[in-house]
Amino acid sequence: GAGVSQTPSNKVTEKGKYVELRCDPISGHTALYWYRQSLGQGPEFLIYFQGTGAADDSGLPNDRFFAVRPEGSVSTLKIQRTERGDSAVYLCASSLMGGGNNEQFFGPGTRLTVL
Amino acid sequence: KQEVTQIPAALSVPEGENLVLNCSFTDSAIYNLQWFRQDPGKGLTSLLLIQSSQREQTSGRLNASLDKSSGRSTLYIAASQPGDSATYLCAVTKYGQNFVFGPGTRLSVLP
Repeated sequence: GAGVSQTPSNKVTEKGKYVELRCDPISGHTALYWYRQSLGQGPEFLIYFQGTGAADDSGLPNDRFFAVRPEGSVSTLKIQRTERGDSAVYLCASSLMGGGNNEQFFGPGTRLTVL
Repeated sequence: KQEVTQIPAALSVPEGENLVLNCSFTDSAIYNLQWFRQDPGKGLTSLLLIQSSQREQTSGRLNASLDKSSGRSTLYIAASQPGDSATYLCAVTKYGQNFVFGPGTRLSVLP
């Protein structure tokens, strides 16, 4: 079946602009995760959804970052007033159930560049 | 705070060699550990998932072991091939909490 998909694959924006990144998880997966990966580093956790609710948003760096999952499937990561330091690859993953007891499946990522 | 390290940071071996990648974590109270592969410019592909109650998992030429008490996991790759060249990452989690990733080991298998 289809894996996790993310759009766009690349996004270039100017400092101060607003961006939205979309994630389509594997059908039937209740848990969805957002990570951010900088060059040469492992992914860094941002937020975890169980169904429609954010079960853990402790990784969001500041209030410019926000994510939603209104119907428990597709999720959107929103970044306001982008800064050059937000440039990274944003990865989305889903698992059948949450709680860290299931295998995570990752999408290809969105490469965000803030000029 | 959980911290995950991986040694070596980079490794280059000739084709056909067996090799071991290491992952260490500071908090042994984990729920599971997962090994991933990442090709340049791509997302992560899951290789093996080890639950905390397990000591190892095998898939084809890959074998991952877990020693929770000492905070270590190893990924063993048998008879390496050029197609195995990628970055290998390990990640750990406590139940109900987020995954914490290591920085990865960049593997090059030379033909």
